[in-house]
Order: sequence, then structure tokens, then C-alpha cells
Amino acid sequence: EVQLVESGGDFVQPGGSLRLSCAASGFNVNTNYMTWVRQAPGKGLEWVSFIYIGGGTYYADSVKGRFTISTHNSKNTLYLQMNSLRPEDTAVYYCARQVERRGYYYYGLDVWGQGTTVIVSS
Amino acid sequence: AIQLTQSPSSLSASVGDRVTFTCRASQDILNALAWYQQKPGKAPKLLIYDASSLQSGVPLRFSGSGSGTDFTLTISSLQPEDFATYYCQQFNGYPITFGQGTRLEIK
Repeated sequence: EVQLVESGGDFVQPGGSLRLSCAASGFNVNTNYMTWVRQAPGKGLEWVSFIYIGGGTYYADSVKGRFTISTHNSKNTLYLQMNSLRPEDTAVYYCARQVERRGYYYYGLDVWGQGTTVIVSS
Repeated sequence: AIQLTQSPSSLSASVGDRVTFTCRASQDILNALAWYQQKPGKAPKLLIYDASSLQSGVPLRFSGSGSGTDFTLTISSLQPEDFATYYCQQFNGYPITFGQGTRLEIK
């Protein structure tokens, strides 16, 4: 079964760090385009970061320089290292996979994890 | 950044109604658009990719159309399980962006 399971969310003080994990099953994160999306309480969806085959990365301006997306080949896991956390980073964080059909990539995210909650507060 | 504006922000409708949501991009995004459904406490679910391609397993009452700057998501006959919030997302440039969402409520 194709599945993503996030973990690592926690309560952290402003300025602190967390590393989120997204364990994949049924496919290889290193041969797919992977994304992190977050949703603040009561708000809409916000794209956070993206990594594509070969390791290229993109970030939202709101997290650039503070967050780092990466993958671990042998663990088949996607990560989001979050440093210098701010109260406005409080959200449910989702990892997701871009649609892929026989080696072609399409504009949509078809597999999502259940989300992990990050709360940044003093 | 490319902005996506969804309209309306909320919509009340009845089971069996035909409803249409609109998503307008601030610049040409070709067909690089997806639509999602989200229910409270759940992850988003992909409905439409590439602006008009129906995701596997999604009921045929859902359809997407448009290209360039104007896109629509249509539900041909509302079912009770369709009441949720709907988001569009563009992939044409970074940062990738979402619309603000349309909340579909039961009338």
C-alpha cells in the first residue's frame, strides 16, 4: 500500500528546533517529487517546501533560511529540519507526493500523510 | 508570487445541486493546477490534476476545466459526503501557492 506517515511534531519554544519525518511505504521518496504543506489552526493550506529527484529544493519565503528539506535513501524517509521556530510556524504539517505516472510527473499531490502538529509557544 | 483567488469564499447548497467553484490566477499558469477536497481534521484529497484530469477513484460527478488564468471545479450533483472545503493549487512557478479555499455548506 502506498502510504506516508509523519512524525516529530511537538510543542517547542520560539527559537527552538524540530525535525519532522515522513516515512514512505509502497514507493521510493528518492525517485519522486516530495512536498511539505502546512495548515495553521483554522486557516488554509500553505506550501512550505519541495524536493525533486537529484536533490534540488525550493522553499516558501516565510521559511527560507530556517527550514531544510531532505531525504534519506536507505530509510525511505522525507525530512523537514525546522530551526529558529516562530509562533507563526504553529501548524499541522503534511508531507505529500506529486502525481507520477510511468516516469512522468503531473500537477497535483496524490498521496498525503495524516499530518503532524507543531506548536511554537512560550 | 502567483496569487490564486477562489470564489466564492463559501457556498450553501443542497443535495442534488450542481455547484461550480472558481479559481483565478494572477498570471498565466497554463494547465498547472490541481483541486483538493478537505474535511475537518483530515488531510486534503486530490480531486483533479493538470486542471482537468480526474484523479483515480474520484467520482465522475467531479470535473475540472480551464487553462491560463481561469479555472473551474464542478460537482454535477451534490452528495452528502461532498460538503467540505475545496482548494486550488498552482504549480507553474515557485513559490507554489494555494487558493484561500471555498467552504461548501449544507443549505
